[in-house]
Amino acid sequence: AQSVAQPEDQVNVAEGNPLTVKCTYSVSGNPYLFWYVQYPNRGLQFLLKYITGDNLVKGSYGFEAEFNKSQTSFHLKKPSALVSDSALYFCAVRDGRGSARQLTFGSGTQLTVLP
Amino acid sequence: AAGVIQSPRHLIKEKRETATLKCYPIPRHDTVYWYQQGPGQDPQFLISFYEKMQSDKGSIPDRFSAQQFSDYHSELNMSSLELGDSALYFCASTSEGARNTGELFFGEGSRLTVL
Repeated sequence: AQSVAQPEDQVNVAEGNPLTVKCTYSVSGNPYLFWYVQYPNRGLQFLLKYITGDNLVKGSYGFEAEFNKSQTSFHLKKPSALVSDSALYFCAVRDGRGSARQLTFGSGTQLTVLP
Repeated sequence: AAGVIQSPRHLIKEKRETATLKCYPIPRHDTVYWYQQGPGQDPQFLISFYEKMQSDKGSIPDRFSAQQFSDYHSELNMSSLELGDSALYFCASTSEGARNTGELFFGEGSRLTVL
């Protein structure tokens, strides 16, 4: 079984400040980790992923995430938040073994960047 | 670039009616996933298909069925609709072959409202 935990339902940050959205995961095999962003009434947009390699991965719109195997975490970060970053963020995991493994999503974190 | 196409975008049905949602994956993607996202909920995996065969099954009700056709498009059939089926239904596609990059690409979703 695989699972994802996003401990914060809501994160508020002032524009220009750094932001962190937390995620921890559980998976049997090697984790494939993802962050997706969802704007109201829209689909899920891919931000970044960790499959293998460097623990720090960079993605779209200046976001990055750090894979920490010992802490089974994959926190999303951005050095300087923008008001336009306000959205719902989902962390997701899939088991890297085998094929056609589905994504399991966390419960989502609503990020609000205050002007 | 071509994206995942879902139709219809919006659908209103009454209880006990049937509904069919369609998904056209990104060209050359061989795997399709269906997710259900209720109001304020994270996306829940329903079912997936790889090379036109069901590859995994999640929390899909027995009233629902799905298939992937020879052109790789997929349809989700929902019968005896209930009020609780009102949700945003996402389709996602990926390539599980040599071009596998791990992430799923999501459509904009089909919003089903059951009255």
